[in-house]
Amino acid sequence: NAGVTQTPKFRVLKTGQSMTLLCAQDMNHEYMYWYRQDPGMGLRLIHYSVGEGTTAKGEVPDGYNVSRLKKQNFLLGLESAAPSQTSVYFCASSYSTGLAGVWDEQYFGPGTRLTVT
Amino acid sequence: DQQVKQNSPSLSVQEGRISILNCDYTNSMFDYFLWYKKYPAEGPTFLISISSIKDKNEDGRFTVFLNKSAKHLSLHIVPSQPGDSAVYFCAASVGGGATNKLIFGTGTLLAVQP
Repeated sequence: NAGVTQTPKFRVLKTGQSMTLLCAQDMNHEYMYWYRQDPGMGLRLIHYSVGEGTTAKGEVPDGYNVSRLKKQNFLLGLESAAPSQTSVYFCASSYSTGLAGVWDEQYFGPGTRLTVT
Repeated sequence: DQQVKQNSPSLSVQEGRISILNCDYTNSMFDYFLWYKKYPAEGPTFLISISSIKDKNEDGRFTVFLNKSAKHLSLHIVPSQPGDSAVYFCAASVGGGATNKLIFGTGTLLAVQP
C-alpha cells in the first residue's frame, strides 16, 4: 500500500496563477483533510471531507477550493495564487467510526512545498 | 485564538535522559489528545493518543499524561534516543468520530544529543 500520496512535491507559482494539488489514498478511508504548515503556526486545517461528494471548511479556507469526486482523491485548488499562500501543504486521511468520543488516526502524505512569487 | 499551545519551540536533552514535552489547551470540550512526530521533508506520523476520560497512556518509551483541571498534557520519552530528534506536535480533537478534525499546536523541536 502506498498510503497517502501527494502530487506534486514542489511547485513555484507566480502571483495570480492557478494550480491544483492532488491527494490520493489507497486505504479506503472515508475522511480526508488538507492542512497547511507555516513556520511558528503548526498545521492548520484548510478544508476537509467526510465522504465522496462532500466538503467542508476548516480554520483557514479563504483562497482555496476543494473537490472530492472520488473517494480515494481529494483535490485542493488555488484559483489565483498569492504570496501569502506560500506554505507546505499536507493531505491526510482517516478511517471513520462516526462515533462520538472515538478518534481515528489521521495518516499524512509527504507534503507539497509551494512557493508563490 | 490558539486553542492548543506549545510554549517551548525547542528542547535539547542528552541521550538516555528523559524528554518532557508540554502542551496546554483552552477548550474543555476536547475529547481526544494526540502527539504527532515529524521529521524534515516528511509528513507527520501518529505517536500516541489519550482520551479525555483517562489521565495516562503508555506505549513503550512514550507516556502521555493528561491533567484536565490544569488543561495540560505532557509527553514523556524515556530513555531518549538520537532517532527521537524531530518536531513534536500536540493536537486535540472535538466531536470525535463525526469528523476526526484536529487542532494542532505550533510544535516543539526536540534535539537528542548523543
